[in-house]
Order: sequence, then structure tokens, then C-alpha cells
Amino acid sequence: EVQLVESGGGLVQPGGSLRLSCAASGFTFRNYWMEWVRQVPGKGLVWVSRINGEGTTTTYADSVKGRFTISRDNARDTVYLQMNTLRADDTAVYYCARELDGMDVWGEGATVTVSS
Amino acid sequence: QSVLTQPPSVSGAPGQRVTISCAGSSSNIGAGYDVHWYRQLPGTAPKLLIYGNTNRPSGVPDRFSGSKSGTSASLAITGLQAEDEAEYYCQSYDRSLRSFFGGGTKLTVL
Repeated sequence: EVQLVESGGGLVQPGGSLRLSCAASGFTFRNYWMEWVRQVPGKGLVWVSRINGEGTTTTYADSVKGRFTISRDNARDTVYLQMNTLRADDTAVYYCARELDGMDVWGEGATVTVSS
Repeated sequence: QSVLTQPPSVSGAPGQRVTISCAGSSSNIGAGYDVHWYRQLPGTAPKLLIYGNTNRPSGVPDRFSGSKSGTSASLAITGLQAEDEAEYYCQSYDRSLRSFFGGGTKLTVL
């Protein structure tokens, strides 16, 4: 079964750091671009970042550029999102998704709450 | 404010046809980048509904169709059913390969 499972969410203070992980299974992970998308409950989807299959090309939304870093470990079939200098407006559910032609597989999401 | 503009809400009676628009610009949709559509039910992850402007993934009924023209795209749903009630999002790209989602459209089945 093709599956993505996020982990690493939680409560963090403003200015703190958190690393999200997304474990993939059921497909050849290295063949796919992977994405992170976030959503404030009750609000719309916001794209965060993308990484290519080799891990050599990354792209970020302006709102997270310089604070967040996407990476991947193809040996572990896992993509990561390192989030630094977190702000209250980073509070959201973070989804990882597989990209081929559109985001065709999504995880269930990990909740990140930035609050003192 | 989203780069891609969708109506906040649309509605229709069972059996009717509704369309959801997604207005972009020459920097994204108008530059030739594909548009994808997603459906999201409350409390669940989004699901890919249309990819590459007009294509349906396996398992998506042919009641759903996508189109693209110029700087905008549309999702059409025919034979509206109660279970179609959900939030719908369009997505495209810009020249920097950043992705953008529309603000979302809530479909209400009357």
C-alpha cells in the first residue's frame, strides 16, 4: 500500500525549532519529488516546500525561506522539514505529499503549534 | 490573498451542474503551467481530483472534469451528489517552480 506517515509535530515556543519527518512506503521513493503543504484549521492549503528525487533541488515559499529546510534520505525513504525560528503564524497541520503530476498521495498530517 | 483566485462558495441542487473557477495570471496558469484540483473533506487530507488540467486519476468519476483557458481554469461537476459537498482547491506553479493553491471553494449541495 502506498503510504505517507508524518511525525514530529508538537508544541514549541516562538523562536524554537522542530523537525518533521515523513516516512514513505509502497513505492520507489527516490523517483518522486516530495512536497510539504500546511493548513491552519478552518483555512486553506498553503504550499511550503518541494524537493526533487535526488535531493539536489529545493524550493520554498517566501514565508518560510531562510527558516525552513527540506531534505530527504532515500536510504530511509523519508523526507524531512527542519523548521527554525518558528513563529505563531507557523501554527498549522503540516502535510507531506508525493508529487508526480499533481500531489497524488498525501499523509494524514502532523500538527505544529507555536505558542508560549 | 491567494495568487490563484477561487470563489469562496458555490452551491447546487442534486443532479445539477456546478463549476468552480480558478483565476491566475500570466505568471502562473497563463505561462502554461498545469492546473491540478483537489477535494478535501473536513478533518481529512486533500485528495487529487484532476491533474494536468483535464485528467482524472483512477477512481475519480467522470462527473468531474477540468478545463483551462488563458490565465484561468475551471472544475465542473455534473450530476451533483450529496457526497460532493466538500472544499475544492486549485493548484498551479510559477516560473520559480513554487506551487500555489487557490483560496478554496466550499461546495454546498442544497
